[in-house]
Amino acid sequence: DIQLTQSPSFLSASVGDRVTITCRASQGISSYLAWCQQKPGKAPKLLIYAASTVQSGVPSRFSGSGFGTEFTLTISSLQPEDFATYYCQQLDSYPLTFGGGTKVEIK
Amino acid sequence: EVQLLESGGDLVQPGGSLRLSCAASGFTFSSTAMNWVRQAQGEGLEWVSVISGNGDTTKYGDSVKGRFTISRDNSRDTLYLQMNSLRAEDTAVYYCAKCPGSCQYNYFDNWGQGTLVTVSS
Repeated sequence: DIQLTQSPSFLSASVGDRVTITCRASQGISSYLAWCQQKPGKAPKLLIYAASTVQSGVPSRFSGSGFGTEFTLTISSLQPEDFATYYCQQLDSYPLTFGGGTKVEIK
Repeated sequence: EVQLLESGGDLVQPGGSLRLSCAASGFTFSSTAMNWVRQAQGEGLEWVSVISGNGDTTKYGDSVKGRFTISRDNSRDTLYLQMNSLRAEDTAVYYCAKCPGSCQYNYFDNWGQGTLVTVSS
């Protein structure tokens, strides 16, 4: 099974900050990585797929990069509505797996 | 507009069974692979199972293999998850999620709101 390790697991930041979250895969997954956002009590929401393609309707401050085993999600200027938990997910092979999550909280 | 509406979550005793449903609308259901993903309280996301659009192909996570069965009724645009031999560790919110076509090499583009399964005596 492919393991995904996210770092950090917790992040405290201020509105306007640039935030970067890393996801490392235990083996190469090409660009078959997605990022989703989850707010408390809500379903996850797709942000990025194919490592760097921003889903329709997602603000342009969100971007993704990476290939193979190392990936990043960047929020260029953190907004109040961005405080949430972020998960990476690999769709290269079954079983599909998620990273452990990164909780972004207000400093 | 895509809508995914889960139902069937309940309190069930260990060793018991439960069937979850996910009613879909707003897209061509029979052309779309569907998944179940679960999340225990305060924990991360765990992929459970996937079924292809025509129902011919299914896959499962190791923790549910042999106990859970995914199925679909394309005439009713509904996805199911039959859960048998339930354990306390199956307690979670269960989400259904769709892919734009197949799921491998793709992504989950829409999620339902979830249904809570509690396994406890």
